[in-house]
Amino acid sequence: DMKVTQMPRYLIKRMGENVLLECGQDMSHETMYWYRQDPGLGLQLIYISYDVDSNSEGDIPKGYRVSRKKREHFSLILDSAKTNQTSVYFCASSLWVYEQYFGPGTRLTVL
Amino acid sequence: GDSVTQMQGQVTLSEDDFLFINCTYSTTWYPTLFWYVQYPGEGPQLLLKVTTANNKGISRGFEATYDKRTTSFHLQKASVQESDSAVYYCVLENTGGADRLTFGKGTQLIIQP
Repeated sequence: DMKVTQMPRYLIKRMGENVLLECGQDMSHETMYWYRQDPGLGLQLIYISYDVDSNSEGDIPKGYRVSRKKREHFSLILDSAKTNQTSVYFCASSLWVYEQYFGPGTRLTVL
Repeated sequence: GDSVTQMQGQVTLSEDDFLFINCTYSTTWYPTLFWYVQYPGEGPQLLLKVTTANNKGISRGFEATYDKRTTSFHLQKASVQESDSAVYYCVLENTGGADRLTFGKGTQLIIQP
């Protein structure tokens, strides 16, 4: 069963707190992604991971970092979260770049 | 750089209406184009793919045609149903390195019963 999971699904944090978003996939895909989705802006790429400990910045990496210690897990970390990081975050994985499998998303609110 | 433009932020139709969603793209090479669909509460998923070789893609009753002359990539469906209510993204596979996709801003399709 091809699946991408994200935890938590909803999260409320205060400005300045650290945030950890987790993503898992069961397809043994090498490549994984983190996006954020904001109204009117569509999907914006934050980071790409090509495999364990092989990560690359996307289009909007500032304020974020990632960790990938196992092929099936990819974490997004916000050190000292800001209110403008309130968004819906999506993780995806892929065998071919064009067919990305997305998780259900995490709705993060930073107060 | 590569870009895609969806001018329609929202489209409202009734069941059995014809759907047409416009998309234009800009790239320096021969593109591979896609439509992704995002249903409420879910992540996006691939709907269909079109390459310069075949110019047309068909999936689940949707059809997309790529026009190199006008750099357009429109999505059509002859008769929409309420279950088609979703956000539709026009997507371009980046030509420089091809390790990522460029998403349009999305078109919200609302189907009134």
